[in-house]
Parts: sequence; structure tokens; C-alpha cells
Amino acid sequence: TQLLKQSPQFLSIQEGENLTVYCNSSSVFSSLQWYRQEPGEGPVLLVTVVTGGEVKKLKRLTFQFGDARKDSSLHITAAQPGDTGLYLCAGWPGGFKTIFGAGTRLFVKA
Amino acid sequence: GAVVSQHPSWVICKSGTSVKIECRSLDFQATTMFWYRQFPKQSLMLMATSNEGSKATYEQGVEKDKFLINHASLTLSTLTVTSAHPEDSSFYICSARGSPNTGELFFGEGSRLTVL
Repeated sequence: TQLLKQSPQFLSIQEGENLTVYCNSSSVFSSLQWYRQEPGEGPVLLVTVVTGGEVKKLKRLTFQFGDARKDSSLHITAAQPGDTGLYLCAGWPGGFKTIFGAGTRLFVKA
Repeated sequence: GAVVSQHPSWVICKSGTSVKIECRSLDFQATTMFWYRQFPKQSLMLMATSNEGSKATYEQGVEKDKFLINHASLTLSTLTVTSAHPEDSSFYICSARGSPNTGELFFGEGSRLTVL
């Protein structure tokens, strides 16, 4: 069974602080996605990483794919209250299924 | 990105009735769609994979007769919760893969089901 361990599960920080969320697996993924979900809504795709060692930036968010394509991280710089939400990492090994992490619930206090 | 629309956004029904939730891919064709259930403060739990023109593939522990899935066209999949009970109350989300090569999923808005 493929697993994707996501940590931390909950994070409460002050506005302006930095944070990093991690996703780790023993399995290799063809690609990995990060999604953000707000209460009562469906997840929204933030980024896809495909190549080992790849780094992608989306404004204050930096995503990294591990060299071996088994792990990934999401770093947020100077977090803002608008960043509050559930962040999900999702590994795609190829084929039909996607493996989801348990999610990180981020709360940014003003 | 690809757009997936889900309807209704929320529904309240009486115990014993059936409820249908629709999932549509608006700007692309989806031979495969996925249905998830999400409990409060938790990640997504895959219920079943919906395949256009054939039977859905259910995950272990998901009752096929309780959660009927139909994927009659390349843009529409439906989930029917039959004889709903309060324990079926949950947030249901569908998704479809925009590209077969990247693994990216595009999600519907979700449907909040409350069974009284």
C-alpha cells in the first residue's frame, strides 16, 4: 500500500511568519500535486511537480520535489490570513489512483 | 485549468430517501471521474472510480448498493445515495483528471449532504 505522510497536520501561526509543510513517501511518484481547500469547497490545484529536484514558485509559495521523487515540501513566506486553509499533497504514481496526504490545516492569525 | 462542476452544493433530506449528486466536466471530456467523501477536518477518502460506459470501481468497504454511480456520458457522472441515513451525512466531492499524463485532478465544488 502506498502512503504519503504529510506533516504537520495542524499549524497555527502569526501573520508574517514562515512555514514549511512536508510530504514523504517510500514510493516513487510520476508527479506530485499540491492543493488548497477552503471550508465547504472543493480542493483547488496549486502546482504540479514532475522532475526530481524541481522547484516551483507561486508568489510567496515555494514547492520542491525531492531528487528521488518520493517527497515534496511546500514553503510559505510571510504567511497572510488569506493563506488559511487545508493544504493537501497528492502523489500520482501513474495509472488511475492518486495518493493523498492527510492534509495540513493552516490557520494564520492577523 | 479544466473546470468541473458539481450540483447541488448542499442538500437536506429525510432518512430513507435517495439523493442524486451530479458531477460535470464543463470544458473537457472525462472518461474517468472520482468520487470522494470527506469527514470534518480530514483528507479525502476515495469512494469509487467512475468509468464512462462501464461499471464503477468501488474502494474496499464502500457499499455498491448504497452509493450508486453512473457515468453515462463523457461529461457527466452521478452519485446516488440510496436510502440515506444520518450516518451518510458528509461532504462529497468529485474530480476528474484534466490530462492523462500529469496526474492533475480538478475538483467539483463539493456537495454537503445532511440526512435528518
